[in-house]
Amino acid sequence: DGGITQSPKYLFRKEGQNVTLSCEQNLNHDAMYWYRQDPGQGLRLIYYSQIVNDFQKGDIAEGYSVSREKKESFPLTVTSAQKNPTAFYLCASSILGEDTQYFGPGTRLTVL
Amino acid sequence: GQSLEQPSEVTAVEGAIVQINCTYQTSGFYGLSWYQQHDGGAPTFLSYNALDGLEETGRFSSFLSRSDSYGYLLLQELQMKDSASYFCATKEAGTALIFGKGTTLSVSS
Repeated sequence: DGGITQSPKYLFRKEGQNVTLSCEQNLNHDAMYWYRQDPGQGLRLIYYSQIVNDFQKGDIAEGYSVSREKKESFPLTVTSAQKNPTAFYLCASSILGEDTQYFGPGTRLTVL
Repeated sequence: GQSLEQPSEVTAVEGAIVQINCTYQTSGFYGLSWYQQHDGGAPTFLSYNALDGLEETGRFSSFLSRSDSYGYLLLQELQMKDSASYFCATKEAGTALIFGKGTTLSVSS
């Protein structure tokens, strides 16, 4: 079955630690995205990538980093510079140029 | 920049019809999308309008008026399972979707 997987579903970290969230897709999509969602809020764009080895900052990129070494994978690192990292993180992918985005199940990160 | 405005909450009863409005501001327009998200779940695509008019998909329809920078999602024959958050979204060329803050729909019996 084609789809997007994110792991883990729940993640706990101590303040000051970097943490990497996994996102893998087997839909053969060129474009991949990371969003952050806070309670009662919409999805805010962190980073996106339209091709391997290239990515662009979204609206709230500060304190985050990404890599796109393979088409299937787009990991997100939440660094210690991110002031309020506790949130629900959603990864998505799409065919390049198309509006329909397919989302993974999300990772709920809690920083203690 | 882009911005999308939609009501924060809507309530309705089973079997009713509800309309969720969305107004947007973008420097370039490439269509209006709608997504549904159940509590704790992933957003799923519902509908997309690139041109003015109504798009119908079963019980859900979406409307767009580009001259008014306005669209809406119409849900008919509401069911309890339709209780969820609904997001409108749009994008500029070569970028990613930008989402509104979402409308929480509560359907009661």
